[in-house]
Amino acid sequence: GAGVSQSPSNKVTEKGKDVELRCDPISGHTALYWYRQSLGQGLEFLIYFQGNSAPDKSGLPSDRFSAERTGGSVSTLTIQRTQQEDSAVYLCASSSVEGAIDTQYFGPGTRLTVL
Amino acid sequence: KQEVTQIPAALSVPEGENLVLNCSFTDSAIYNLQWFRQDPGKGLTSLLLIQSSQREQTSGRLNASLDKSSGRSTLYIAASQPGDSATYLCAVYNAGKSTFGDGTTLTVKP
Repeated sequence: GAGVSQSPSNKVTEKGKDVELRCDPISGHTALYWYRQSLGQGLEFLIYFQGNSAPDKSGLPSDRFSAERTGGSVSTLTIQRTQQEDSAVYLCASSSVEGAIDTQYFGPGTRLTVL
Repeated sequence: KQEVTQIPAALSVPEGENLVLNCSFTDSAIYNLQWFRQDPGKGLTSLLLIQSSQREQTSGRLNASLDKSSGRSTLYIAASQPGDSATYLCAVYNAGKSTFGDGTTLTVKP
């Protein structure tokens, strides 16, 4: 079966523009995560969706960031009025929580460059 | 707030050596701990997952241990190969969030 896919793989945008990043999780996975990895830094948690529960948005760095998950599957991360500090690799992961088992499977990421 | 530290930040070894990567975390109330590999320009690949009730997991040349009470995990790589060169990340998971360390960049020289 297919793994987690993300699109686009690369995105270059001008400061102030809005961007949308897409994540297609593994079919059947109920949990979906967004992370950000800035150059030379570790992974930063952004947002977490679990089934039909309200998402955990505690990691979103500002109100310019938002995410949706439609139909419990595809997710879109939207960044409004992009800033240069938003430049990073945005990684999506999905998992199937079964009891105490939770392995996250990561997509290849979207490299965002804000000029 | 959970903090995860990985030591060393970088490691260079000759091919064939056994090596240990370290991960420590400040809050022992974790659900599980996961080790990942990240190759340049690529996403993350899961290597081993240790549940909170387990002490270790093994996969091939890799062995990961977990001491939850002391907030430590180690990743042991036996007989290292140049193909093992990558950044190794550990992540602890609790309450729907994974907190990642900054990683250890491993270089295995032929």
